[in-house]
Amino acid sequence: VQLQESGPGLVKPSETLSLTCSVSSDSISSYYWTWIRQPPGNGLEWIGNIYYIGSTNYNPSLKSRVLISMDTSRNQFSLELTSVTAADTAVYYCAREAPDCGGGSCYGRFDLWGQGTLVTVSS
Amino acid sequence: DIQMTQSPSSLSASEGDRVTIICRAGQNIGKNLNWYQQKPGKAPKVLIYGASKLQSGVPSRFTGSGSGAEFTLTISNLQPEDFATYYCQQNYSIPQTFGQGTKVDIK
Repeated sequence: VQLQESGPGLVKPSETLSLTCSVSSDSISSYYWTWIRQPPGNGLEWIGNIYYIGSTNYNPSLKSRVLISMDTSRNQFSLELTSVTAADTAVYYCAREAPDCGGGSCYGRFDLWGQGTLVTVSS
Repeated sequence: DIQMTQSPSSLSASEGDRVTIICRAGQNIGKNLNWYQQKPGKAPKVLIYGASKLQSGVPSRFTGSGSGAEFTLTISNLQPEDFATYYCQQNYSIPQTFGQGTKVDIK
């Protein structure tokens, strides 16, 4: 199974950042599918996720500007981030969160990642 | 948000050394703690999940321990390919959060 991000590498301030993650060799109709970003030289920030039934969770710090959606027919999920500023410049990763359940507990982890795509916000 | 704090932020070590990285959570997160390794220009790779479970394919020199609010990643017999940045991550509550990272470089 491979994940591949695609979308524009340059977005103007105040416009909308749109990325798609294509999932190969496996059905998207299970697991949580996640977007994570990493500003240049900095740490990792969880943006949000979507469950295969369509429910979503978002980081409250971005919630008013973020939309994550899924197209099961194309085995893809997408990220839209509106009203971007230079602070949104980052490498954006898509990832799969897979659970390991046993003994009454489930532990999830990001076990598959895309290669990442750098999105620069600049005029 | 649950704040995750790693220490140290960086360390220098030699091949063959034993290295320990600590991650502290801002509240009790049970065992909902994962460790990732990231090399420059690459996506992170999961090493440990559920605080102490070794991800398939990861060498056994990586061990995780802890529960509640304090966790440890230990790398025994440090190998050249282990020089990287390591992140802890909690998935106990939304938003999921990461530590600031610990860079392990060559002494």
